[in-house]
Amino acid sequence: DAGVIQSPRHEVTEMGQEVTLRCKPISGHNSLFWYRQTMMRGLELLIYFNNNVPIDDSGMPEDRFSAKMPNASFSTLKIQPSEPRDSAVYFCASSVSSGGADGELFFGEGSRLTVL
Amino acid sequence: SQQGEEDPQALSIQEGENATMNCSYKTSINNLQWYRQNSGRGLVHLILIRSNEREKHSGRLRVTLDTSKKSSSLLITASRAADTASYFCATERGGADGLTFGKGTHLIIQP
Repeated sequence: DAGVIQSPRHEVTEMGQEVTLRCKPISGHNSLFWYRQTMMRGLELLIYFNNNVPIDDSGMPEDRFSAKMPNASFSTLKIQPSEPRDSAVYFCASSVSSGGADGELFFGEGSRLTVL
Repeated sequence: SQQGEEDPQALSIQEGENATMNCSYKTSINNLQWYRQNSGRGLVHLILIRSNEREKHSGRLRVTLDTSKKSSSLLITASRAADTASYFCATERGGADGLTFGKGTHLIIQP
């Protein structure tokens, strides 16, 4: 299996621009998670989906952030407009789950975002 | 907010020695997991221990869980240079909650 695939691996953009991060989970996994990692705040859960339905988006920082999962094999995390404080590594992870995070998470390699 | 908190924040030991990392958490949990992250890479799952388990082994890894103290420890025996990485504990509280990570312990194994 190819594992969780994220793109782009690196993105540098200017403040105010729209950023779209993409994730392809492992085939057969029914839960998908978006995390953000910074030195200051560590790993923060932004949102997670179960069977393509958003379950908990309480970690999404504000209205500038949105996430979608149109089908079982694709998810996007969009930031519009982007700000310098959004600079971080964004991870996508997937798992086989009955609802929460009761199993092992498989992480992608992350998307490193720099907003100038 | 952070549920788990690892201790120490950083640890440097000689190759061959044992490394122990601790994790404390605040609320009751369904399971606790440990992950490793090499620099610039994604997290890799190491071991999962459920709330009704007290100890679990996997190769050179030993994890304990004390739910009365809300704490867990990860022991890596006979450390190797390749064990150099950051180690995170993560807790799952059940229901609709996702997995909440601590800030990690950065482990350096000196050759």
